[in-house]
Amino acid sequence: GEDVEQSLFLSVREGDSSVINCTYTDSSSTYLYWYKQEPGAGLQLLTYIFSNMDMKQDQRLTVLLNKKDKHLSLRIADTQTGDSAIYFCAERQGGKLIFGQGTELSVKP
Amino acid sequence: GAVVSQHPSRVICKSGTSVKIECRSLDFQATTMFWYRQFPKQSLMLMATSNEGSKATYEQGVEKDKFLINHASLTLSTLTVTSAHPEDSSFYICSALKGGTNEKLFFGSGTQLSVL
Repeated sequence: GEDVEQSLFLSVREGDSSVINCTYTDSSSTYLYWYKQEPGAGLQLLTYIFSNMDMKQDQRLTVLLNKKDKHLSLRIADTQTGDSAIYFCAERQGGKLIFGQGTELSVKP
Repeated sequence: GAVVSQHPSRVICKSGTSVKIECRSLDFQATTMFWYRQFPKQSLMLMATSNEGSKATYEQGVEKDKFLINHASLTLSTLTVTSAHPEDSSFYICSALKGGTNEKLFFGSGTQLSVL
């Protein structure tokens, strides 16, 4: 199938690290993405990782990819209230993206 | 960075009318654009792939006569919701594929359609 799965909710305290997990199904996916969506807005590309990489770090964001288990994670260090949003992982199949259901991150002060 | 402009951001219309949504790539040419639909608290569902100069490819279950897609130029794709009904109320988002050695998808800011 084409399912990309994520847990629906995550709640953390400000200053803690957040880890959002995602599993995908297509082992031939070339790119895997993380997008952020704030209420009523479009999607903002946060970061992406090529399938031959295990890890990618970009400031407060760390992406880990386990190809064997088809597992992708996004770690946000020092989470801030402004990070509260819905985070979507997506895998690229050919020219189109298949999205997970989104994880709603709630950051409490 | 690349910008994709989507217009309008919000539209309210009466049942039975048609609504056109525009998606423009402002600083790059996009031979391929995608249209997604998002229901509240749900993921984005791909509706169709729009290719410049050819017919759009619709995903299974999406009515092509209901959701008309036109990609007449390398910077503009339009989605027309024809004879809209309340069940068409949703958040519609377009994206444009920027080619090159590092292909990336850029998203519009979305259109909230409310059909009364």
